[in-house]
Amino acid sequence: EVQLVESGGGLIQPGGSLRLSCEASGLIVSDNYMTWVRQAPGKGLEWVSIIYAGGTTYYANPVKGRFAISIDRSKNTVSLHMDSLRAEDTAVYYCTRSSRGTNWFDPWGQGTLVTVSS
Amino acid sequence: SYVLTQPPSVSVAPGQTATISCEGHNIESKSVQWYQQKSDQAPVLVVYDDSDRPSGIPERFSGSNSGNTATLTISRVEAGDEADFYCQVWDTTSDHYVFGAGTKVTVL
Repeated sequence: EVQLVESGGGLIQPGGSLRLSCEASGLIVSDNYMTWVRQAPGKGLEWVSIIYAGGTTYYANPVKGRFAISIDRSKNTVSLHMDSLRAEDTAVYYCTRSSRGTNWFDPWGQGTLVTVSS
Repeated sequence: SYVLTQPPSVSVAPGQTATISCEGHNIESKSVQWYQQKSDQAPVLVVYDDSDRPSGIPERFSGSNSGNTATLTISRVEAGDEADFYCQVWDTTSDHYVFGAGTKVTVL
C-alpha cells in the first residue's frame, strides 16, 4: 500500500522560511512524479510544484522563485523548501504523486498546515 | 493560463443523479481527472483519464468529456457522497497542472 506522510508545517512569520517533508512508503519517490498541492482555508485546491522522475521541476507562478522542490533518495522523501513566505501562502499543503506518464494524482497525504502570520 | 470553470454547488436528492460540469477551451483534447474531498479529509481520485475509475471507486461515479465540457455523473446518490468535487487537467502549453474551483455537492 502506498502511503504519503507530510510533516514540517507550523506557524511562521511573514518573510520567513519553512521546509516541508513528505515521507513515502510503498513507492520509490525518484521513480514517480511527486507533487505538492495546497488548499487555503475555505478555498479550493491549488497546484504548487512537481518534480519529475528525471529531476525536472515546475512551479506555479505565485511561488516561482520562492519555493524549491527536491528529492532525498536516501530517505525516500520529497521536500518543499519555502522562502519569503507571505500571508497568502497560508494553507494545508498536500503531497501526492503521479505514476510515470500519467497526469493524475493518487494517493494523497493527509496534509500539513502552514500558517504565515505575525 | 488554462482555466477550468465549475458550478459552485449542486443539490440532489438521495437516489437521484448528480451531474457536475467542468468547462475549458477544447477540453476534449485533454485528459480530465475528478477528485472527491469530504469535509476535513484529503482529496481522493474518483475518475481519471476522462472516464476511468480507480479500483475501489463505485461504478456510480462516471465521467465523460466532449467539446468544451467534461462531466462527472454520480448515479443513485447517497448521503455519503456529499463532498466537494474538483476537476483537474495538465496544461501542456505551460507544463502546469490546473484545478477547477470546485463544486459542493449537497444531498438533500
